[in-house]
Amino acid sequence: SAVISQKPSRDICQRGTSLTIQCQVDSQVTMMFWYRQQPGQSLTLIATANQGSEATYESGFVIDKFPISRPNLTFSTLTVSNMSPEDSSIYLCSVESGGMRSGANVLTFGAGSRLTVL
Amino acid sequence: AQTVTQSQPEMSVQEAETVTLSCTYDTSENNYYLFWYKQPPSRQMILVIRQEAYKQQNATENRFSVNFQKAAKSFSLKISDSQLGDTAMYFCAFMSGNQGGKLIFGQGTELSVKP
Repeated sequence: SAVISQKPSRDICQRGTSLTIQCQVDSQVTMMFWYRQQPGQSLTLIATANQGSEATYESGFVIDKFPISRPNLTFSTLTVSNMSPEDSSIYLCSVESGGMRSGANVLTFGAGSRLTVL
Repeated sequence: AQTVTQSQPEMSVQEAETVTLSCTYDTSENNYYLFWYKQPPSRQMILVIRQEAYKQQNATENRFSVNFQKAAKSFSLKISDSQLGDTAMYFCAFMSGNQGGKLIFGQGTELSVKP
């Protein structure tokens, strides 16, 4: 299965600032997915990033708050803009990759980026 | 809209014993996939097991197996011979066959394996 590297691993941010999270995959993938995990909660899909087109956002998430770039088939960034304490979460990048024998529709996740907004 | 429910926020089991984690889901679709992921304190999401809805046979992966009851929309995870390294948060998740990449997660069950 794919190996995903995310940076930063964690960060402490000031209210009103923006932070960009990077996601690097060791193989070319068509789609990359960004998830958010709020404290004590499960994961929620923010958006799907396709190379060469605008990201597709899920209900409740907007491009102005979470702009995404997808410059090539192995890399994506997610920016959390104008942060408030409510944005304190773990942000995870994921891709579909082989696993569990047949592999279809299996998501592999990065280790996540833990953001704390003061 | 699809939903996934895990009714056990916390569970504990003695090392070497067997434990079953419950999960129910709701969907009107016929083509979908179900997953169990574990998230240890390192927070890395790790796939435990996967089930295609069209397969009647329950998936197994070594000590992990599922009891998939499609009519009842139930998808429980059985961990046999529990090990200390199984201590983690376990998430049940649903993926529509038409929406690759979009996992809908349950609230999670925190499992502690005690020596």
